[in-house]
This record gives sequence, C-alpha cells and structure tokens, in this order.
Amino acid sequence: DAGVTQSPTHLIKTRGQQVTLRCSPKSGHDTVSWYQQALGQGPQFIFQYYEEEERQRGNFPDRFSGHQFPNYSSELNVNALLLGDSALYLCASSLYPRTSRNGYTFGSGTRLTVV
Amino acid sequence: GNSVTQMEGPVTLSEEAFLTINCTYTATGYPSLFWYVQYPGEGLQLLLKATKADDKGSNKGFEATYRKETTSFHLEKGSVQVSDSAVYFCALLHGGATNKLIFGTGTLLAVQP
Repeated sequence: DAGVTQSPTHLIKTRGQQVTLRCSPKSGHDTVSWYQQALGQGPQFIFQYYEEEERQRGNFPDRFSGHQFPNYSSELNVNALLLGDSALYLCASSLYPRTSRNGYTFGSGTRLTVV
Repeated sequence: GNSVTQMEGPVTLSEEAFLTINCTYTATGYPSLFWYVQYPGEGLQLLLKATKADDKGSNKGFEATYRKETTSFHLEKGSVQVSDSAVYFCALLHGGATNKLIFGTGTLLAVQP
C-alpha cells in the first residue's frame, strides 16, 4: 500500500525564484494538507485541500498557494522565495471526515534550501 | 487558542532506561491527541493516538494516556533502545472546521548503548 509520496526530495533555489512541490496522497485518502517545518521546530500548518478547494489556511502569506487535482494529488507553490522559506515541507493526507480519529499520514518531505 | 507544550530536550538516556516525555495541551472541547516520531532525515510517522479522555494509546512499547483533568498526554516507554533515538512530537487535532494538527516543538531523544 503506497503511502504519501512527495517530490522532489531536495531542492535548491535562489531568492526571488518560484518553486513547485508535489504530493500524491495515500491510496484511499482524499484530503491533503501541507506543513512547513523549520529546522529545530515543529511543523506549522500552511493549508488544506479537499474536493479541489482550499478549505483552511494557516498564517502564511499569499506567496504560498496550492492546488488539488481530481486524482487528489496536490501541489504547493511558493513565489518570490525568501531565505526564511528554507525548510522541510511536509505533505499529509487523510480521509475526510475521519481525520480526528485516524490522524494524518505524512510523506518524507521536500527539503527546500533558498540561497 | 489551541496549543501544545512539550518538555524541552535533548533527553539523553542509557539503553533500557525508562522514558517519559511530558506533553500538555490547551484546547476547547475534546481534541484528539497524537504522538509522532521523526527519525533523522525523514518525515513524520504516527506513533500512537487517543481520541477521548482516559483512552490509552500504545505502539512498539510506547504508551500515552489522555488525561483531561490535567490536560496531559505524556509519552512513556519502560525500556528504551538505541533505535528509539529520534525527535518526538506531541500534537492535537480538532475535527470539523479546525481540522488541522497543532504540534509541539518536539523533543530530541538520544539513547546511548
């Protein structure tokens, strides 16, 4: 049973550039959430997608945007990259509305370095 | 607002020692509580969970009991191994409109042989 798949695993970008990260949810899951984990910190919620719409958003600027496709996969886009965007970006999937009971399944993350 | 507070690390133990990592939370209503583990260079893995008061989650020798009266969900293991070395995150989740995980800052556990 395939878990959550994220690509790429590592990425180096220059300040001001744009980046797209990709996520395929666990088989049978329909909800995708994105988290940012800075070094030495706990993950912070960016946003969540369900039925191809953004359902919730954390305290992140509009430079962070996303998309969910009909096959439930998702993309995270970050524009005008800043040095502070360097982090591990985690994708998590779940099956709505059972998330409270079963929690999320996380991918291994994409390590983004902005130079 | 909702929040999770974990004991700061690093926690350094010898193999076969007893482990406790404290976690307390602030939340309205009845959140679900989770412990996730992160091994070096990897993503998060669900370790255990509890969805209502007095529930005990357990997995791989780890246990945690959902204590509503003390708003706590402390992680314990009777005998740690070197392979348990990782960062442990306590998290809470409210269902419905606020269907997102809120994490603590994590506790690094280092087990020495």
